[in-house]
Amino acid sequence: NAGVTQTPKFQVLKTGQSMTLQCAQDMNHEYMSWYRQDPGMGLRLIHYSVGAGITDQGEVPNGYNVSRSTTEDFPLRLLSAAPSQTSVYFCASRERGGLRNTQYFGPGTRLTVL
Amino acid sequence: AQTVTQSQPEMSVQEAETVTLSCTYDTSENNYYLFWYKQPPSRQMILVIRQEAYKQQNATENRFSVNFQKAAKSFSLKISDSQLGDTAMYFCAPSGGGADGLTFGKGTHLIIQP
Repeated sequence: NAGVTQTPKFQVLKTGQSMTLQCAQDMNHEYMSWYRQDPGMGLRLIHYSVGAGITDQGEVPNGYNVSRSTTEDFPLRLLSAAPSQTSVYFCASRERGGLRNTQYFGPGTRLTVL
Repeated sequence: AQTVTQSQPEMSVQEAETVTLSCTYDTSENNYYLFWYKQPPSRQMILVIRQEAYKQQNATENRFSVNFQKAAKSFSLKISDSQLGDTAMYFCAPSGGGADGLTFGKGTHLIIQP
């Protein structure tokens, strides 16, 4: 199993550009989440999904869109990038009712918006 | 909503010493889980240890153990016989069991000196 994979690992954007961060998992987990990590902060939840076709907002959803068309994939879209979205982004997944709620994280994407 | 406080932004100890990282949290949940994650310079989020709130017995994983005091909402991590590879950011994170992910503290930067 590859676990949770994210692409790209690094990305530089200009203000106003759009892009999609990819996330995939091969563990058949129902729950998936996106977090952002800023310097001196822990991870903060952006959006999450409880299954294909179902998504919801987390703590910091503004400026981001998500969709979940399959169990495996959970892309994060930045429609018009802003410097405030410079951050490291993590995708995570876990089983519904899985082993003590353990979340498995991808390796992260470092995004810089100029 | 949950809040998490890690009061030690940075700690430094000598190799082979024992170190304790503190974490306090606030939650309105009755059933929840608590996690410590490690983030080395590679930025990968690695699960260190987990605790179910309904269990009175403190969790242990090799050199890692927790002191869980439910009434005080305290969840400290003890690392025994510390090793250079333990150098990392450590995050405390409670989970309410729902799909909406983990709430992270701001982290403690642990440095193990040779």
